[in-house]
Amino acid sequence: EVQLVESGGGLVQPGGSLRLSCAASGFTFSSYWMSWVRQAPGKGLEWVANIKRDGSEKYYVDSVKGRFTISRDNGKNSLYLQMNSLRAEDTAVYYCARASLVGLYWGQGTLVTVSS
Amino acid sequence: EIVLTQSPGTLSLSPGERATLSCRASQSVNSIYLAWYQQKPGQAPRLLIYGASSRATGIPDRFSGSGSGTDFTLTISRLEPEDFAVYYCQQYGSSPLGTFGQGTKLEIK
Repeated sequence: EVQLVESGGGLVQPGGSLRLSCAASGFTFSSYWMSWVRQAPGKGLEWVANIKRDGSEKYYVDSVKGRFTISRDNGKNSLYLQMNSLRAEDTAVYYCARASLVGLYWGQGTLVTVSS
Repeated sequence: EIVLTQSPGTLSLSPGERATLSCRASQSVNSIYLAWYQQKPGQAPRLLIYGASSRATGIPDRFSGSGSGTDFTLTISRLEPEDFAVYYCQQYGSSPLGTFGQGTKLEIK
């Protein structure tokens, strides 16, 4: 069974940092692009970042460029999102997702709250 | 960037009725890269349709997708109580990052 389990969310002050993790199981992790997608409270979905199977290509939405870094460890079947210089508008549930030609498979998400 | 516009924003229907949800793209989308998701409160989105018209594993056949180019439709033939949720369309072929529509809330009338 495919499983994606996010961790690392919590309350952080503006300007602070947080590292999200996603543990993958039930599929060949290294064969898939992986993504982070977020959803602000009561709002829609926003694709945050993508990373290629071997980590050689990474893409970000403009609003997080220079502040967030997506990475992966295929040996540990894990995906990460390092978030620096956090802002109130980064407050959201962050979902880890497996990307493929047949769409996204989602984890349950982890809540990040940026507030003083 | 391709912008997806979903309509209506909210759709009020009764169980047993037919629901038709629209997703319009600002430029042509390759149908292979058009998907629909269902999201219930407090839950992650769930894939319903990929490739514009193919049902994902385990999705009941009352859900169907159609369309091409810039106009796509999700149809639920006979609404069940568990179908009342928010629905999102998504495209993911035009750039390294895909985009989502803003969602249609399907509520019980």
